[in-house]
Amino acid sequence: AQSVTQPDIHITVSEGASLELRCNYSYGATPYLFWYVQSPGQGLQLLLKYFSGDTLVQGIKGFEAEFKRSQSSFNLRKPSVHWSDAAEYFCAVTNTDKLIFGTGTRLQVFP
Amino acid sequence: EAGVAQSPRYKIIEKRQSVAFWCNPISGHATLYWYQQILGQGPKLLIQFQNNGVVDDSQLPKDRFSAERLKGVDSTLKIQPAKLEDSAVYLCASSLNRVMNTEAFFGQGTRLTVV
Repeated sequence: AQSVTQPDIHITVSEGASLELRCNYSYGATPYLFWYVQSPGQGLQLLLKYFSGDTLVQGIKGFEAEFKRSQSSFNLRKPSVHWSDAAEYFCAVTNTDKLIFGTGTRLQVFP
Repeated sequence: EAGVAQSPRYKIIEKRQSVAFWCNPISGHATLYWYQQILGQGPKLLIQFQNNGVVDDSQLPKDRFSAERLKGVDSTLKIQPAKLEDSAVYLCASSLNRVMNTEAFFGQGTRLTVV
């Protein structure tokens, strides 16, 4: 069965530090991959997506993610975190229209 | 451009009562989704519409949940009767069409508390 794993439930970083959020997937074929961000009381906003081509994708708000087929991973990165990045981050996969989400990683940013 | 609108934002009901949520997707979006997000979990798809037809409702608890999308625009999701485990945020999303290279836009959600 298709699944998405986000191993880190909660991550705390200092403002200005680099960030990497992990995502591993289990899928029969190469899936479409997404990262969404959810701020408190808000809906989900798409940060970036990977369908094919260059395995390093750039997104909004300075985020990027790298697809590694050999590791079944799609980790999200940001070189310098801002306090406004504090939110919940969800990785999602699909090869149809049905998005399968991970359980999320809550990011806390200290000044 | 207006986003996906949902109402109400919050709802508290007693178990065994009924409740309904409303969603107005982005104009022109053919595909509409309802997701259930239980605290501490990722969103789970309940039902997907393409225009006014159901594409996927495999995870909808049909004994108590129902949804419709009349005229292929607005949609309502109903729970009757509600159980304690239905406490969650119900998210509506829409996308231009079924092709996955289009983006799904999410509403702010309705937070349901069943007591």
